[in-house]
Amino acid sequence: DADVTQTPRNRITKTGKRIMLECSQTKGHDRMYWYRQDPGLGLQLIYYSFDVKDINKGEISDGYSVSRQAQAKFSLSLESAIPNQTALYFCATSGTTAPQEDQHFGDGTRLSIL
Amino acid sequence: AQTVTQSQPEMSVQEAETVTLSCTYDTSESDYYLFWYKQPPSRQMILVIRQEAYKQQNATENRFSVNFQKAAKSFSLKISDSQLGDAAMYFCAYHMAEKLVFGKGTKLTVNP
Repeated sequence: DADVTQTPRNRITKTGKRIMLECSQTKGHDRMYWYRQDPGLGLQLIYYSFDVKDINKGEISDGYSVSRQAQAKFSLSLESAIPNQTALYFCATSGTTAPQEDQHFGDGTRLSIL
Repeated sequence: AQTVTQSQPEMSVQEAETVTLSCTYDTSESDYYLFWYKQPPSRQMILVIRQEAYKQQNATENRFSVNFQKAAKSFSLKISDSQLGDAAMYFCAYHMAEKLVFGKGTKLTVNP
């Protein structure tokens, strides 16, 4: 089983819908991240969390919200989806012991908003 | 703000040959980490190699090695004996303050 699991793997939805992308991990890591990947733009940080009570905005947080339900779970929500949020979304984790800088990625969720 | 620049949107290499992917970054910090990630068509993000800025020795992982030039803020990836399975997007990333900043990527094609 994957250490970092994202669900769903693919999702097609309509403009205005509320969408939740889920991430769970079995690595025991405290730190979790959500990234967005657009073609030609690399990965951009949306939100990150260093523990259950610590949530921080990244570079492109507008239009998104997150919930850290437990150490192992970190969800990303789009309250009212719009077409320019169509992208590949990645969850990642990192630990607090060396090499703590290494981030471990899930397999991504491809989200299409019509 | 930290920025990472990959100036080669696409590169190609013949199987068994060597290729070098370029990356430059901008920072005012002295202690940081640099990474190369590989993203094959399966879309996974796979850590290829890491470099700690305070170490002068260039990192090496099997056929992958880096040329880290701290003063020039350059961090290139060399792939030796290229294999068909090396075909992928490659992303350079800078780590500081617990976050990663990525370049836009280089698409590597390996020709048989």
